[in-house]
Amino acid sequence: QQQVKQSPQSLIVQKGGISIINCAYENTAFDYFPWYQQFPGKGPALLIAIRPDVSEKKEGRFTISFNKSAKQFSLHIMDSQPGDSATYFCAAIPSGGYNKLIFGAGTRLAVHP
Amino acid sequence: DAGVTQSPTHLIKTRGQQVTLRCSPKSGHDTVSWYQQALGQGPQFIFQYYEEEERQRGNFPDRFSGHQFPNYSSELNVNALLLGDSALYLCASSSTGARWNSPLHFGNGTRLTVT
Repeated sequence: QQQVKQSPQSLIVQKGGISIINCAYENTAFDYFPWYQQFPGKGPALLIAIRPDVSEKKEGRFTISFNKSAKQFSLHIMDSQPGDSATYFCAAIPSGGYNKLIFGAGTRLAVHP
Repeated sequence: DAGVTQSPTHLIKTRGQQVTLRCSPKSGHDTVSWYQQALGQGPQFIFQYYEEEERQRGNFPDRFSGHQFPNYSSELNVNALLLGDSALYLCASSSTGARWNSPLHFGNGTRLTVT
């Protein structure tokens, strides 16, 4: 069964610090690796995504690093802010043409002022 | 521009009952997917509807069924409810047949509690 493993389960960072969340996958047949942000009482919202033929993608304070040989990818949040406090999910879309998402278990991030 | 809307927001049912959850996709979207999110877990894919047919299905029993209407809205039905069905049920929509690079837009979910 295709799986995506995410760590840590929870993370506390001081304002201005760097938040790092890691994910690993167990199957190479994935087309796309999105990250989602979820606030309490809300559905997940797409944050940033990367294709497996790209090693890094940056959008504002958010950067994805992708290591295809190690089957690992990570999210870095630079200059973390209290408003970034949320649950973050990595995901992977299996090859096959349709965007069925395989989610990690999530990381609850708390940014303290 | 309305996003994905789901109803009801909360629901309490008894074991053995049946439930129907509803979803209206984001304007312009033609594909609807349903996910189950247990407390403290990531969402799990249930199934996806496109052109009024179930196109993909996750590892869920036949008690979970769905439907898509000509206006692209969708329903999720769960029969013979179990305590373990208690979860947040998320609807997500996308466009153009939901190819891998078509972003999913999620609703805020329906919180189902089975007692």
